[in-house]
Amino acid sequence: NAGVTQTPKFQVLKTGQSMTLQCAQDMNHNSMYWYRQDPGMGLRLIYYSASEGTTDKGEVPNGYNVSRLNKREFSLRLESAAPSQTSVYFCASSEPLVTDTGELFFGEGSRLTVL
Amino acid sequence: ILNVEQSPQSLHVQEGDSTNFTCSFPSSNFYALHWYRWETAKSPEALFVMTLNGDEKKKGRISATLNTKEGYSYLYIKGSQPEDSATYLCASRDAGNMLTFGGGTRLMVKP
Repeated sequence: NAGVTQTPKFQVLKTGQSMTLQCAQDMNHNSMYWYRQDPGMGLRLIYYSASEGTTDKGEVPNGYNVSRLNKREFSLRLESAAPSQTSVYFCASSEPLVTDTGELFFGEGSRLTVL
Repeated sequence: ILNVEQSPQSLHVQEGDSTNFTCSFPSSNFYALHWYRWETAKSPEALFVMTLNGDEKKKGRISATLNTKEGYSYLYIKGSQPEDSATYLCASRDAGNMLTFGGGTRLMVKP
């Protein structure tokens, strides 16, 4: 049972380059999320998708775009990477609280360094 | 955006000590409070999800309480073990389904 799978696990970019982080879940969850984790700041929400076909901005969306490709997949794109986007990125999925506990299931994280 | 705060930021205890830490959150528009355990080089894993004022949940030596009126939750660990060393995250979910995390409490248990 894979749960939430993120790729790549590590990436080094130069300023201005673009890249896409891929996320897939096999738990048939409706909601998916992208968080970034920076030292001393916990997890901050970048974007989320409450259900297939919808996406919404979170706390720190600037510099990112997302695509909910289907129910399983939710990708995060950096169009022009900046050093401030150096971080560890986590994808997560959940069922809505009204039908379930709403607990998040996380991927293993993707460590991105922008030089 | 909710302001979720955790204290202390870090904590060193001896094996066998019991310990607790705090999560505070805005009580308005509250829907649920989550606790996650996050070991180094792994993914955060859910410990508890609580919704009702006065809720208490327990999993082995770890338990949590919730006060939604005053906006705080406590996480307790009884008889800490080295394997309890991790960062403990709380997150508050509002009625709009937005989940906001605190900065975490990093626990280190010395053998």
